[in-house]
Amino acid sequence: DILMTQSPDSLAVSLGERATINCKSSQSVLYSFDSKNYLAWYQQKPGQPPKLLIYWASTPESGVPDRFSGSGSGTDFTLTISSLQAEDVAVYYCQQYYTTPLTFGGGTKVEIK
Amino acid sequence: HLQLLKSGPGPLKPSETLSLTCAVSGGSVNSIAYYWGWIRQPPGKALEWIGSIYSSGTTYLNPSLKSRVTISVDTSKNQFSLKLTSLTAADSAVYYCARHNTVAGIFEVLPGSVDDWGQGTLVTVSS
Repeated sequence: DILMTQSPDSLAVSLGERATINCKSSQSVLYSFDSKNYLAWYQQKPGQPPKLLIYWASTPESGVPDRFSGSGSGTDFTLTISSLQAEDVAVYYCQQYYTTPLTFGGGTKVEIK
Repeated sequence: HLQLLKSGPGPLKPSETLSLTCAVSGGSVNSIAYYWGWIRQPPGKALEWIGSIYSSGTTYLNPSLKSRVTISVDTSKNQFSLKLTSLTAADSAVYYCARHNTVAGIFEVLPGSVDDWGQGTLVTVSS
């Protein structure tokens, strides 16, 4: 199985400041035949199902605010919230779909400082 | 959209079988554009993929649960279902049904990111 490790476990950021979440996979999720990274990011607010933010590591899902961006390749990925808003308080998960079993990171909780 | 229908009374006891059904609206389980899957989340913990099924019947299951899991599709009702047998307390979690985008593998279509989720249902296994 591909192990997805997120860091930090939690972070507190002031409103309007940048939040950065890291995700590392135990093996590359970059497929050579299409040069795509098989990685997604999700946001989960309390009592709600997760919501897809980013797929192919850097492609935003339709309707996602442009303050959310994804970057990285191979085994190291980052989700950045460029200017944290109150409604961004949530737990964020990365997920690989390079191979089955599909696996998720342990989550990063983002709070307001 | 996905509507999770929970079958049977709860809570469940150890060794019993969990049965869940997810009704699909605004689309068809026969669509070649999607896989239909199940994901669970123990309270306060991370997400765990259980398995996913395609319109062709191709099914991928998490090896950690494979011996106890059955996922099926009912095209006449536009629904898909999960059965998890031999329950233990470790199976207590919120269970989500999910719609995966597909990704084109070298030889086959595979489940990708999840772009729609059911509302989730809390399943508690306790004696």
